[in-house]
Amino acid sequence: DAGVIQSPRHEVTEMGQEVTLRCKPISGHDYLFWYRQTMMRGLELLIYFNNNVPIDDSGMPEDRFSAKMPNASFSTLKIQPSEPRDSAVYFCASSLLGLGNQPQHFGDGTRLSIL
Amino acid sequence: GDSVTQMEGPVTLSEEAFLTINCTYTATGYPSLFWYVQYPGEGLQLLLKATKADDKGSNKGFEATYRKETTSFHLEKGSVQVSDSAVYFCALSERAAGNKLTFGGGTRVLVKP
Repeated sequence: DAGVIQSPRHEVTEMGQEVTLRCKPISGHDYLFWYRQTMMRGLELLIYFNNNVPIDDSGMPEDRFSAKMPNASFSTLKIQPSEPRDSAVYFCASSLLGLGNQPQHFGDGTRLSIL
Repeated sequence: GDSVTQMEGPVTLSEEAFLTINCTYTATGYPSLFWYVQYPGEGLQLLLKATKADDKGSNKGFEATYRKETTSFHLEKGSVQVSDSAVYFCALSERAAGNKLTFGGGTRVLVKP
């Protein structure tokens, strides 16, 4: 079975440019999570969706960050304008709530470098 | 709020040594507990989980027991291999919070031949 698919795997761009990260969750999963990982801050939850609806975006650092989930099989995380301090690895994860606590399944991440 | 505390690394071991990574948590309800592993350049993978007190999760020679009385979920492996070198994350989730995971800071483990 296909896991969570993220694209691109690597992105290098200059500050001020718009960056769009993409995620395809596992089919049938009803929760989708976006994380950011840095050496300084570790793993931070940015936002999560349930059935395509944003539930908690309190982790989104600034208005420059936005996330959408137009349908059950696709989500984007956008940074506009980008800044060097946004450089990090961004992970997408999905899970199925089900009858009990189910684990989150992570993609391989997008390594973002803002010059 | 919920929180997870795990021992800081790096932890450096020789092959075949015994590994323990301590993890303690605070939670408002009755969480499920997880250990995730992250190999270099990859995303996090579920290593094992436990959903109620006294449950033991196990996988690939790793074990952890859900101890409600001590609010702990320590990870152990009796004989590590070089391929176990990775970062290990302890985490909890509560159903009422929609499977939202609360992670510890991660512990880097380096196993030398």
